[in-house]
Amino acid sequence: QQQVKQSPQSLIVQKGGISIINCAYENTAFDYFPWYQQFPGKGPALLIAIRPDVSEKKEGRFTISFNKSAKQFSLHIMDSQPGDSATYFCAASKTGRRALTFGSGTRLQVQP
Amino acid sequence: DSGVTQTPKHLITATGQRVTLRCSPRSGDLSVYWYQQSLDQGLQFLIQYYNGEERAKGNILERFSAQQFPDLHSELNLSSLELGDSALYFCASSASSGGRNTIYFGEGSWLTVV
Repeated sequence: QQQVKQSPQSLIVQKGGISIINCAYENTAFDYFPWYQQFPGKGPALLIAIRPDVSEKKEGRFTISFNKSAKQFSLHIMDSQPGDSATYFCAASKTGRRALTFGSGTRLQVQP
Repeated sequence: DSGVTQTPKHLITATGQRVTLRCSPRSGDLSVYWYQQSLDQGLQFLIQYYNGEERAKGNILERFSAQQFPDLHSELNLSSLELGDSALYFCASSASSGGRNTIYFGEGSWLTVV
């Protein structure tokens, strides 16, 4: 059973545009929601994370929006750059169980 | 560089064979996780060890096993390999199991079963 659903599967954005990736989860016990960025040939690396006690977290050009009632969260990449081209994974876990459940990934391509 | 080291980086083996993947976690990290990444299944959690003991088990096949040694390095053993086991296997580590500890991933071990 897929507990974290991610969309879209792929995304093409022009340089300077906004990239938006959405995730929905099923398990209401999840209380930690990170986003990971993966470049070809590399392992996933933590980009930004949020907990359900806040509705938004911003770090530079990256923002997570969190809607607890809808059980959804999204990643917004402002002023997208070609260097942002990578695969992005949302994930979720619950306190006491550190293993992450990942979404299926979104391949982002930012065109110059 | 995440600080998590995995060997080998690439491995080609035949069906029915057995392989061992090795992982050295970041210095000081007590938890080790194994994930499998394939095109059709995404990142699937296999198993977690914390300070030498199994902490959580995910979608790990009975043909697969893992352990974490006293020096905290971990090995993932894959046996009776099938073509479908071809994937990228990631090791990850984090500090203690509680709190807001980031999980750091290695660069993975590419396994090709022919």
